[in-house]
Amino acid sequence: GQQVMQIPQYQHVQEGEDFTTYCNSSTTLSNIQWYKQRPGGHPVFLIQLVKSGEVKKQKRLTFQFGEAKKNSSLHITATQTTDVGTYFCAGPGAGNNRKLIWGLGTSLAVNP
Amino acid sequence: DSGVTQTPKHLITATGQRVTLRCSPRSGDLSVYWYQQSLDQGLQFLIQYYNGEERAKGNILERFSAQQFPDLHSELNLSSLELGDSALYFCASSKGQEAGNTIYFGEGSWLTVV
Repeated sequence: GQQVMQIPQYQHVQEGEDFTTYCNSSTTLSNIQWYKQRPGGHPVFLIQLVKSGEVKKQKRLTFQFGEAKKNSSLHITATQTTDVGTYFCAGPGAGNNRKLIWGLGTSLAVNP
Repeated sequence: DSGVTQTPKHLITATGQRVTLRCSPRSGDLSVYWYQQSLDQGLQFLIQYYNGEERAKGNILERFSAQQFPDLHSELNLSSLELGDSALYFCASSKGQEAGNTIYFGEGSWLTVV
């Protein structure tokens, strides 16, 4: 079945280092969403990418949607302790699949 | 505050019992989703309702059932509970029914089965 894979599963960085998580879908996605879940919290919507090759920035976060619309990435520049959490990507299922397909998430830990 | 309200926040119950989790979506949202999150499973989609009708089904066990009422609030019923059902259950809502809609999550209901 359709899958959305995220790598890495875990990442441990020193504060100030950069961080990137990658999301790869087995099928073409009409759009992709990114969510962040802080420890003990609930997933919070970050951004949605729709266009092939789209790049969006939110302060230190840069989101990209691949040209083939099958992969995406989230890059954080100069991580801070407030970036700690799990980052999920999710995309609509193909065809008659009405469900949002979620990656397993990348858990980011930041050492101060 | 996402605007999605879930009750109860925490629940401890024994195996074999039945519990009901309640969710009020954001004002104006017609879709309600239920997700299960356990430590080793990530976010597991259970079911979606749109304006009172079941819209999409995920990995929901037969022991679990849900419904969305005319006022759009939703309930998730979990019966014959097993230890493995211990998890964080999220309700989420969105305006539309399509999978590309932005989803807003509630704070979750922690269920512990002992």
